[in-house]
Amino acid sequence: GESVGLHLPTLSVQEGDNSIINCAYSNSASDYFIWYKQESGKGPQFIIDIRSNMDKRQGQRVTVLLNKTVKHLSLQIAATQPGDSAVYFCAEIWDNYGQNFVFGPGTRLSVLP
Amino acid sequence: DSGVTQTPKHLITATGQRVTLRCSPRSGDLSVYWYQQSLDQGLQFLIQYYNGEERAKGNILERFSAQQFPDLHSELNLSSLELGDSALYFCASSPLMSSYEQYFGPGTRLTVT
Repeated sequence: GESVGLHLPTLSVQEGDNSIINCAYSNSASDYFIWYKQESGKGPQFIIDIRSNMDKRQGQRVTVLLNKTVKHLSLQIAATQPGDSAVYFCAEIWDNYGQNFVFGPGTRLSVLP
Repeated sequence: DSGVTQTPKHLITATGQRVTLRCSPRSGDLSVYWYQQSLDQGLQFLIQYYNGEERAKGNILERFSAQQFPDLHSELNLSSLELGDSALYFCASSPLMSSYEQYFGPGTRLTVT
């Protein structure tokens, strides 16, 4: 499939280790944040979301942390598996006469055997 | 498989031409979103339709237009194509007007030569 973002920052982790992917967002008025996973040749896939009134949310093997003071979002993946290899990007959303979506540039996660 | 279908999968055309991309949302979803993903600009929100009506507009050029039909499928029309329009175009659907959990289609790869 097509490679998205050939010049994306890359995070390489050993299989079984934990991964932490970071994202800086721009709008302090953003009230919702989403992490997406995009595998080569496929569309983005929703992973986990968090509202601005929360600072942590956990899913299955994934945790999202939100630090509004420094406008920073992180995605933690526990026990990283080969199937986690993909591009991950965050999205910030706010409502202003309709929904506004802004996506981060993405980080490529490479899981080493 | 997200349940969202897009056609065609690939499209190659010349500058100045016009193309139409088609999207069928998941069964029952009323909202359709269009996104452009290019290597240098990442994923950008273009426009949203809900039950046939335009709901939100993002970074959509005046040369681009979209519509959602009574059967809920949507088309994105791109005209006076330029080299810089070469990108992946994704459609996503969700059941509600304001739903952040969107299901993405596999995308249409547009190449303008």
